[in-house]
Amino acid sequence: LAKTTQPISMDSYEGQEVNITCSHNNIATNDYITWYQQFPSQGPRFIIQGYKTKVTNEVASLFIPADRKSSTLSLPRVSLSDTAVYYCLVGDPPGLGYSTLTFGKGTMLLVSP
Amino acid sequence: ETGVTQSPTHLIKTRGQQVTLRCSSQSGHNTVSWYQQALGQGPQFIFQYYREEENGRGNFPPRFSGLQFPNYSSELNVNALELDDSALYLCASSPPGQASYEQYFGPGTRLTVT
Repeated sequence: LAKTTQPISMDSYEGQEVNITCSHNNIATNDYITWYQQFPSQGPRFIIQGYKTKVTNEVASLFIPADRKSSTLSLPRVSLSDTAVYYCLVGDPPGLGYSTLTFGKGTMLLVSP
Repeated sequence: ETGVTQSPTHLIKTRGQQVTLRCSSQSGHNTVSWYQQALGQGPQFIFQYYREEENGRGNFPPRFSGLQFPNYSSELNVNALELDDSALYLCASSPPGQASYEQYFGPGTRLTVT
């Protein structure tokens, strides 16, 4: 699995847009990019996954440039409840439900009033 | 639909003892993975079970073992507990035929070894 680098922490205020960038210079052709969110003392929660360009769901957007060596998770209008650790993962999603996840240390996002 | 559940919520054990943690996967999910999360770190993959067989293993010693049952629930067993085994143990399940990294995590079991 490709190694990822993300900021250790970020601060924001309620209502702002937050962009968390992840570097993955050694991403392989078949690798997908996946983001998880984790609140204290809870299991991680899947946010979004993408391969190239832009993916959007009800929670976030994921921007992936053409060279795919980085990706940006965008959280629109964050609230206090978005305070959490965000993990970027890169790897080849297997078929048949065989999948393992390799987590780094993630980015601790703190949203203030 | 019931999500992934784990028991117990918290557990305190003494060094050298053995512990069994339990996980019920989300309905219809036939793959279960276990992770260890130390304080301030990301989850680390222990092993995965698919159709009652171990399907992959991370860098953990043999004293970490597991089982998956016909109903896809699972157990994680740790023998000869060490102080460094103190962590949050997470179970995650995923449905069959899904080519995705989307796994569904339980709330975890907080294990403290003294």
